[in-house]
Amino acid sequence: QVQVQESGPGLVKPSETLSLTCAVSGYSISSGYNWGWIRQSPGKGLEWIGSIHHSGSTSYNPSLKSRVTMSVDTAKNQFSLKLNSVTAADTAVYYCARPYKSAWYGVFDIWGQGTVVTVSS
Amino acid sequence: QSVLTQPPSVSGAPGQRVTISCTGGSSNIGVGNNVHWYQQLPGAAPKLLIYTDNNRPSGVPDRFSGSKSGTSASLAITGLQAEDEADYYCQSYDSSSLSVVFGGGTKLTVL
Repeated sequence: QVQVQESGPGLVKPSETLSLTCAVSGYSISSGYNWGWIRQSPGKGLEWIGSIHHSGSTSYNPSLKSRVTMSVDTAKNQFSLKLNSVTAADTAVYYCARPYKSAWYGVFDIWGQGTVVTVSS
Repeated sequence: QSVLTQPPSVSGAPGQRVTISCTGGSSNIGVGNNVHWYQQLPGAAPKLLIYTDNNRPSGVPDRFSGSKSGTSASLAITGLQAEDEADYYCQSYDSSSLSVVFGGGTKLTVL
């Protein structure tokens, strides 16, 4: 079955760049879908960061757009997130996910287990 | 402050019916954008519960149902069970900000 798995540093210093990768198994990323990143701050709700199509086209949350870059690597069957100029407010569990239907944004039905990223010096 | 507003908490006894509301505005639910619901058990990733207002993915019990009217949507859970105790989130799309938006979440306590 299709699985996604986040990986990356668990600790990032303030003002630096947070970099995460989502490895996809059981499905070829170049076959479609708008793959997404979502985060959840401690004790808070869910926040959509953005989505990337296998072609490389992106859609970002306007509140984060100036700091976010997403990319896809079809050869490695993975996609990535970079968030620059991080502050303590970016401390969260970061999830990667796939939507329920290929043409949809959001409506995620396949989620990774999440990775905790703490921003601290 | 979330674009979609949910009550922070709801509760009910086993076997009862509870509803969770999700209130949006004229640029999201009110303009006809679909509403989706997730269940998040403690320490776990969210699970898609309802999509496009009132559809259940395979494997989701029919105790869970969704509805939408005007600028609001609701999730109903009947025959409440202890394992339903979780956080529930609504989600839609905001046509003004061109963004996927979530509600702030509702914690369901089974008494």
